[in-house]
Amino acid sequence: RKEVEQDPGPFNVPEGATVAFNCTYSNSASQSFFWYRQDCRKEPKLLMSVYSSGNEDGRFTAQLNRASQYISLLIRDSKLSDSATYLCAVNIRLRMDSSYKLIFGSGTRLLVRP
Amino acid sequence: DTAVSQTPKYLVTQMGNDKSIKCEQNLGHDTMYWYKQDSKKFLKIMFSYNNKELIINETVPNRFSPKSPDKAHLNLHINSLELGDSAVYFCASKGDNEQFFGPGTRLTVL
Repeated sequence: RKEVEQDPGPFNVPEGATVAFNCTYSNSASQSFFWYRQDCRKEPKLLMSVYSSGNEDGRFTAQLNRASQYISLLIRDSKLSDSATYLCAVNIRLRMDSSYKLIFGSGTRLLVRP
Repeated sequence: DTAVSQTPKYLVTQMGNDKSIKCEQNLGHDTMYWYKQDSKKFLKIMFSYNNKELIINETVPNRFSPKSPDKAHLNLHINSLELGDSAVYFCASKGDNEQFFGPGTRLTVL
């Protein structure tokens, strides 16, 4: 079983739609959680961190469910410019000296059509 | 100014050759990484260095050797390149919470 799993998509939605991505992780010692965005042939860039209480940044809402070990990303009022691959990432602490390893899911591709 | 830079951006080479990819960050971070993203877009960590010390070495063939001359640089040398090494290699550096990625090096082994 992969440490971090995502539905690869693609999700093909019209402009203005609401779309939700889910991601599950297997390591219960995971410390922190993130959503990254990756455009075609570009590097991943941090979209938002995911906090236990849930957090929102404009049209984007991220949530964490530690009991079920999944994180989610909700995008409201989709724009054409939201088309990209969304990667969830989980930070796993390696040692007491605070070194961490970031494990990525394989990404979910989003296509927003006019 | 580019925060994390990599050279070259593209690398096309023959099987069996040895090649290097360079990475530099000007963010003052202590921790740097190498990731490999294969054709299925799966982004996987290879190595991590903290202040020039190797702290993560995933199950990567020993043909791959990272070198960190100082904490702003983390280079990747690959010996005896194989077809399966074709991928995009990303360097990253870590701040307090976020990892910043370089633009990637697209390696094609023929």
